[in-house]
Amino acid sequence: SYELTQPPSVSVSPGQTASITCSGDKLGDKYACWYQQKPGQSPVVVIYRDTNRPSGIPERFSGSNSGNTATLTISGTQAMDEADYYCQAWDRSTAVFGGGTKLTVL
Amino acid sequence: QVQLVQSGAEVKKPGSSVKVSCKASGGTFSSYAISWVRQAPGQGLEWMGGIIPIFGTSNYAQKFQGRVTITADKSTSTVYMALSSLRSEDTAVYYCARGNGWNDLLDYWGQGILVTVSS
Repeated sequence: SYELTQPPSVSVSPGQTASITCSGDKLGDKYACWYQQKPGQSPVVVIYRDTNRPSGIPERFSGSNSGNTATLTISGTQAMDEADYYCQAWDRSTAVFGGGTKLTVL
Repeated sequence: QVQLVQSGAEVKKPGSSVKVSCKASGGTFSSYAISWVRQAPGQGLEWMGGIIPIFGTSNYAQKFQGRVTITADKSTSTVYMALSSLRSEDTAVYYCARGNGWNDLLDYWGQGILVTVSS
């Protein structure tokens, strides 16, 4: 079965750039999405179709996807961005999530 | 504004079954896919399967084949997820989420349902 791999944790200082990677076999041939989840809340999509931001998502969130790796980049990270982030892709009509990355802003 | 409102928390015994619901309002219910995603305590997200109500066709993750049944009632814009042969490892928050078919973002999520399996 298809798998997506994320680092368990990433730390960033306020105002700096955070990058979270997601690796999977030929992931670049699929669309990648990224979801943000804060404690006790439902996930919220922050990037879809590799690079697109839904309305209401700040411009500091951006995405890329090429080869075997998709990357979520948060520029000028703010304290409110501290959350768990999950990448997701579809493989043969099955949704696959990465294991999640805890972003700590300190 | 699209909203997915899920039924309330459940407590079940091992070996029993649970059926939870997800009622949609706003938007066009039937033409979207509704997925079920679960999250065990302290763990990540896991897709279980889904349904496109307009076609009535369900799509299940291999892990849950034979144990999960997802159905839709178009008249009430409600999707149901039934999980059988419950075990303690099924204790989780179960979310429904709307997607545009089986290859696109999950753009709206329900509030989640805590299902606890305990003797």
